[in-house]
Amino acid sequence: EAQVTQNPRYLITVTGKKLTVTCSQNMNHEYMSWYRQDPGLGLRQIYYSMNVEVTDKGDVPEGYKVSRKEKRNFPLILESPSPNQTSLYFCASRERWDRVSLEQYFGPGTRLTVT
Amino acid sequence: SQQGEEDPQALSIQEGENATMNCSYKTSINNLQWYRQNSGRGLVHLILIRSNEREKHSGRLRVTLDTSKKSSSLLITASRAADTASYFCATGGWEGSRLTFGEGTQLTVNP
Repeated sequence: EAQVTQNPRYLITVTGKKLTVTCSQNMNHEYMSWYRQDPGLGLRQIYYSMNVEVTDKGDVPEGYKVSRKEKRNFPLILESPSPNQTSLYFCASRERWDRVSLEQYFGPGTRLTVT
Repeated sequence: SQQGEEDPQALSIQEGENATMNCSYKTSINNLQWYRQNSGRGLVHLILIRSNEREKHSGRLRVTLDTSKKSSSLLITASRAADTASYFCATGGWEGSRLTFGEGTQLTVNP
């Protein structure tokens, strides 16, 4: 089954404790992206990747890191989480980076709480 | 910054009625897409309309696009309780790879 998976689905952590949210897709997609969703703000893009070893900042990259060492994986790293990073996070992918008209596939989401 | 803005923010209707949601955007687009999100879950692609198209249908969904007014509407006909969800419009520009999402319309269909 074609899908985007994220782990963990739920995470409660404390300020400053490094964490990684994994994202994996099995569709051989070039383009992958991370979003955060907050009430009243909709979905905002954090980082995106056009292919292996090619990443770039989205609208709200501060406090986050990403890497794309393999085509299928695109982990989101919070080196020193803070309470303002409490949010619902989504990973998404699409087949081609240069075809913005293509459908994006979303993961199920990771609900992160930083205390 | 957010490109699309949905209207209304929330809509509550009875089963069997039609639901109409609107999306306005600011800059020139290549395409506009509608996504659905069930509570707290991932978004699911519903339909895409290109900038040179005016109307598109998919099952009970009808999307219109007016590029002169920079607006789109999503009509769900004969709504069902299972249509209860948030609906987002997303715009794709002519340059780059970015797809920009609006804040969504929360649709509640009462049985």
